[in-house]
Amino acid sequence: GAGVSQTPSNKVTEKGKYVELRCDPISGHTALYWYRQSLGQGPEFLIYFQGTGAADDSGLPNDRFFAVRPEGSVSTLKIQRTERGDSAVYLCASSPDGLAGFGEQYFGPGTRLTVT
Amino acid sequence: GQNIDQPTEMTATEGAIVQINCTYQTSGFNGLFWYQQHAGEAPTFLSYNVLDGLEEKGRFSSFLSRSKGYSYLLLKELQMKDSASYLCAGMDTGRRALTFGSGTRLQVQP
Repeated sequence: GAGVSQTPSNKVTEKGKYVELRCDPISGHTALYWYRQSLGQGPEFLIYFQGTGAADDSGLPNDRFFAVRPEGSVSTLKIQRTERGDSAVYLCASSPDGLAGFGEQYFGPGTRLTVT
Repeated sequence: GQNIDQPTEMTATEGAIVQINCTYQTSGFNGLFWYQQHAGEAPTFLSYNVLDGLEEKGRFSSFLSRSKGYSYLLLKELQMKDSASYLCAGMDTGRRALTFGSGTRLQVQP
């Protein structure tokens, strides 16, 4: 079956602009995660959705970052007033678990964001 | 929160065995994960340990000691395609977020 997909694969934007990154999770997966990864580092957690609600947004670095998942499937990560330090690969992952137990997280290919 | 440490780089020979260590410090513990990531690609799940001991899955095995805050990933019969970064990640009690280490870049040489 189809894996996690993310669009666009690459995004170049100017400092100060607004960007939206999209994630399509594996069908039926209730949990969805956003991470970002800088070169030579491991992924850094941003936010976790269980269904439509953000169950844990403790990783969002500041209020310029916001994410939604209105129908419990597709999610959009929104970044306002982008800064050069926001440049990274933004990874989305999904897992089939509910509130109990762990679920292996399946990662998408990522969106490479470059802020010039 | 968690603090995950693992070596930055390792080199091994095709056909050999390599052990990648990971130490963690956490206020609560809900499992230790290993992921493989080839350059420019997404991380892929390798293993999960929540209890002490060894979990074996084909050429890959993972070990956990909760009392020592220590895990390792063992790769046997190394192949050239095993050249990748190996990410150790912990999950805190009551959370689903993974805290990743910086990854160990493994280079397999002929």
